[in-house]
Amino acid sequence: EDKVVQSPLSLVVHEGDTVTLNCSYEVTNFRSLLWYKQEKKAPTFLFMLTSSGIEKKSGRLSSILDKKELFSILNITATQTGDSAVYLCAVGYGGATNKLIFGTGTLLAVQP
Amino acid sequence: DSGVTQTPKHLITATGQRVTLRCSPRSGDLSVYWYQQSLDQGLQFLIQYYNGEERAKGNILERFSAQQFPDLHSELNLSSLELGDSALYFCASSVLGLAGMETQYFGPGTRLLVL
Repeated sequence: EDKVVQSPLSLVVHEGDTVTLNCSYEVTNFRSLLWYKQEKKAPTFLFMLTSSGIEKKSGRLSSILDKKELFSILNITATQTGDSAVYLCAVGYGGATNKLIFGTGTLLAVQP
Repeated sequence: DSGVTQTPKHLITATGQRVTLRCSPRSGDLSVYWYQQSLDQGLQFLIQYYNGEERAKGNILERFSAQQFPDLHSELNLSSLELGDSALYFCASSVLGLAGMETQYFGPGTRLLVL
C-alpha cells in the first residue's frame, strides 16, 4: 500500500533553533515530493523536489530529496514564531493515478 | 490569498442531509482537485476534474459526487451525511492537472460539521 510517513508528529522549539522535519515514502510510479505549510487554513506550497541530492532553498527553509532511500527532509534555520504551523509532505505520482498522497503532517510550535 | 475561492466557509447540518460545496479555481487553471481533511485521516484526495472531465479518483465515497462546469467552477455534493463526514474540505487548482508536476493552489476550505 502506498504511504507517506512524517516524523516527528509534533515538536516544540524556541525561537532561533534549527529544526529538521522528515518525510519517508513508499509509492509506485513516483513523480515528485512536495512540501506544504498549513497554518490556520489552506496549505501553501513550499517546495517541489524531483531529483535526488539537489537542495532547494527559500530563505531560512531548505529541502532535499533522496530517491534511493525514499525520504526527504525539510530544514528550518533560525526559527521564528511565524514558522509555527503544520508542515505537510506529499508525494505526487502519475500515469493513470495522477494524484498527491499526503502524510499526516508535523506540527511545529515555535515559542518566543 | 491563493486565488482559489470556496463557499461556504462553514456549514453545519444534520445527519442524513445533503450539502453542496462550491469551488472557483484560479484564473487560467483548468483542473480542480477536492480533498478531505479530518483530524485522524489527514489530507485525503477525493477526486480531480480537468476542463470539465473527471481525471482521477481517490478515496471518494459513493455518497459523494462532484462535477466541473463549463466556467470551470466545481461543486462537491455530499449526501446522506454521517457524523464521520465532519471535516475540512479543500479545493485546489492547477493549470495542467498533472498532480506532482505542478503546484496545486489550495482554497481556504469549507468546514463541515454534521450533528
